[in-house]
Amino acid sequence: ETGVTQSPTHLIKTRGQQVTLRCSSQSGHNTVSWYQQALGQGPQFIFQYYREEENGRGNFPPRFSGLQFPNYSSELNVNALELDDSALYLCASSSLTSGEETQYFGPGTRLLVL
Amino acid sequence: SQELEQSPQSLIVQEGKNLTINCTSSKTLYGLYWYKQKYGEGLIFLMMLQKGGEEKSHEKITAKLDEKKQQSSLHITASQPSHAGIYLCGALRLGTYKYIFGTGTRLKVLA
Repeated sequence: ETGVTQSPTHLIKTRGQQVTLRCSSQSGHNTVSWYQQALGQGPQFIFQYYREEENGRGNFPPRFSGLQFPNYSSELNVNALELDDSALYLCASSSLTSGEETQYFGPGTRLLVL
Repeated sequence: SQELEQSPQSLIVQEGKNLTINCTSSKTLYGLYWYKQKYGEGLIFLMMLQKGGEEKSHEKITAKLDEKKQQSSLHITASQPSHAGIYLCGALRLGTYKYIFGTGTRLKVLA
């Protein structure tokens, strides 16, 4: 149990639609990252937020956007969904203790785009 | 080409045997992470190595990062069926806030 929750667990959308995925992390974890994992592949880094600002982004188009809120929750928004967006979306929060980072992953949201 | 190369791609071992998984980068990394994933589930963070030559252990799993911070190994001692899963290495590119991942090693432990 990591204390990181994601909703919904599963989602089916059609091409062109928009989707919002949610993540709730532990109190005090100022950093949240989002990843996309296609079936049979390793995760791909989408972006990272630190104290409500994006501070790192992978090779994803602008239609992937995010928000981080003061209550340690965050959102991943994807506009104009494409079939290739079908994947498991993971969020992770991290804590830093004595210079040591620990990451906590949620169970993921499985998105299917038809 | 993949920025982080993992080997082997898959591994089947008898319970009780030791095993090693390797992760190699062509560039110096800021930090190296090891994760475990069960099929279709979220990642479990195992450990992070940041300093060249660093070694960490958690239960029967030991990970090392070489001095150049370009290669890491994950060693499991006396493997058990509970160790089965996909092991992934991840890293933070030096000078960026971009994470990259290896291709994963699928481990099966036969009872």
